[in-house]
Amino acid sequence: DAGVIQSPRHEVTEMGQEVTLRCKPISGHDYLFWYRQTMMRGLELLIYFNNNVPIDDSGMPEDRFSAKMPNASFSTLKIQPSEPRDSAVYFCASSYTSGGAGFTDTQYFGPGTRLTVL
Amino acid sequence: AQSVAQPEDQVNVAEGNPLTVKCTYSVSGNPYLFWYVQYPNRGLQFLLKYITGDNLVKGSYGFEAEFNKSQTSFHLKKPSALVSDSALYFCAVRAPTGRRALTFGSGTRLQVQP
Repeated sequence: DAGVIQSPRHEVTEMGQEVTLRCKPISGHDYLFWYRQTMMRGLELLIYFNNNVPIDDSGMPEDRFSAKMPNASFSTLKIQPSEPRDSAVYFCASSYTSGGAGFTDTQYFGPGTRLTVL
Repeated sequence: AQSVAQPEDQVNVAEGNPLTVKCTYSVSGNPYLFWYVQYPNRGLQFLLKYITGDNLVKGSYGFEAEFNKSQTSFHLKKPSALVSDSALYFCAVRAPTGRRALTFGSGTRLQVQP
């Protein structure tokens, strides 16, 4: 498997512009997570989906952020309008719930998208 | 609420020496504990996890971690460090039920000197 795929790898945009980050999870995985990494705040969860349904979006900073998962193989994270404080590395991760007693689910991360908002 | 503490921002060790990267956690119930490694400009790579069973967990690249329930710790160890082990290491925790997302520590930078 190719692993979690994210695009673009780098994005430079100007304040006020719309930014769309994309993620393709590992085939067969039923959970998808969006994280953000900054020097100040470390790794923080933004939102996660189970079977394409958003489960917890309490980490989404504000209404400027939105995420969708239209099908099991694709998710987007959109920022509109973008601001300089949104500059960070955004990671997508996916995991598989193996089921049964004592199951565990390891999250596998994509390479990240480095976003710079000028 | 669950939390993870990595008390050392950086750990320096000479190549060939044993290394330890510390992690303590707080969570309701029995924890699921993870270690990830991040190389420059790369995503996080899974190293190992503890779910249940033997307190000593072996993972990738010769790393292991010891779960200590009484001390609520999950320290990462390796008997003999390599220069190539130099990277950023994250400990993460989640409760066995409820919220699926991991809570990460702030990370520890491991520097292995030749």
